[in-house]
Amino acid sequence: GQQVMQIPQYQHVQEGEDFTTYCNSSTTLSNIQWYKQRPGGHPVFLIQLVKSGEVKKQKRLTFQFGEAKKNSSLHITATQTTDVGTYFCAGKSNFGNEKLTFGTGTRLTIIP
Amino acid sequence: NAGVTQTPKFQVLKTGQSMTLQCAQDMNHEYMSWYRQDPGMGLRLIHYSVGAGITDQGEVPNGYNVSRSTTEDFPLRLLSAAPSQTSVYFCASSYSDRWTASPLHFGNGTRLTVT
Repeated sequence: GQQVMQIPQYQHVQEGEDFTTYCNSSTTLSNIQWYKQRPGGHPVFLIQLVKSGEVKKQKRLTFQFGEAKKNSSLHITATQTTDVGTYFCAGKSNFGNEKLTFGTGTRLTIIP
Repeated sequence: NAGVTQTPKFQVLKTGQSMTLQCAQDMNHEYMSWYRQDPGMGLRLIHYSVGAGITDQGEVPNGYNVSRSTTEDFPLRLLSAAPSQTSVYFCASSYSDRWTASPLHFGNGTRLTVT
């Protein structure tokens, strides 16, 4: 079945540094979504990418969808303490009746 | 709107006990699902439903049952709890599951411990 891998699993950065998490799928995706989960909380939807090569920005967050629609990235510029949490990508395959598959997540901690 | 409401927030069970995790949404969403979250494994789909009266298995369905008698409710039943089912359980709903997936709205989660 479809597999979605995410790296790195953990990332510790100094406040103000940049952060990037990468998402790779074993199959071509029809779309990819990104979620953020604060410690002790539940995942919250951030954004959805649908088009090949699509780039979307939300303030300091930049999301990219690869040209082959098999990978994606989330980049945070100048991290702040409010960025702490685990970031998940979730992709839906182009084929068959595959459901949304979540990546393993990247846990971001900020050193003040 | 309350969104997605899950109860209970915490539960401790002994091996072999059964229980039902409740999930309700008030957004008239077609699609509802149950995930379990374990350290280092992300969110894994247990069961899902694309509408009232329709349910199907996800990635890790063994040991769990679901039903969808109404659009609003999607309870998850643990038939005979095992320590391997110790996890955080999330219910999630979305408007539709057609073609491109709609954004999922998650409940606050249930932390289950099986001893």
